[in-house]
Amino acid sequence: DTEVTQTPKHLVMGMTNKKSLKCEQHMGHRAMYWYKQKAKKPPELMFVYSYEKLSINESVPSRFSPECPNSSLLNLHLHALQPEDSALYLCASSQGGGGVLEQFFGPGTRLTVL
Amino acid sequence: GESVGLHLPTLSVQEGDNSIINCAYSNSASDYFIWYKQESGKGPQFIIDIRSNMDKRQGQRVTVLLNKTVKHLSLQIAATQPGDSAVYFCAETLYSSASKIIFGSGTRLSIRP
Repeated sequence: DTEVTQTPKHLVMGMTNKKSLKCEQHMGHRAMYWYKQKAKKPPELMFVYSYEKLSINESVPSRFSPECPNSSLLNLHLHALQPEDSALYLCASSQGGGGVLEQFFGPGTRLTVL
Repeated sequence: GESVGLHLPTLSVQEGDNSIINCAYSNSASDYFIWYKQESGKGPQFIIDIRSNMDKRQGQRVTVLLNKTVKHLSLQIAATQPGDSAVYFCAETLYSSASKIIFGSGTRLSIRP
């Protein structure tokens, strides 16, 4: 299985809602990532987990809260978002630990904040 | 901060011709470069990479060229096909810490029949 899956595909939420994005991979990868991609823009790194520990936080606002319950799963908890947070949220994984560097991306969750 | 940029935001190519997508990078410390392809509705897909100790690397129908003197990267696609239509991003990072990838602004490649 060489796939990264993300759920849901689409999410519409109000500014007072709490929701979560989920990401899963079964490639045995030990590094997992969250990216944010606005329309017609490149992906921007948000968080990196390495061996289930948060290793990089790119100064992301606290209304985004990542969680890595185990080596196969990555969540992004959303609370009190703003309309400007509407974007495609991409999850990726890589082997980690100094191994092959290629990052495998999921199809993303299209988030709309009303 | 330093960033990776592209010379052309859009590129239209006749089917069967070769495509060349260019990229300029400004961080002289970067030593690992990657090209990604992103089709509509999908996440980026790894195409090919190159380390700074090389100036050329070939894959299946794709070649990446690196010119460190002028901080320039290019992706050549041979015999362009309709399935090559996508946005192409170059990206840079440090090989020693390749978790943190900086993407360029992207070039949309469209294929004329």
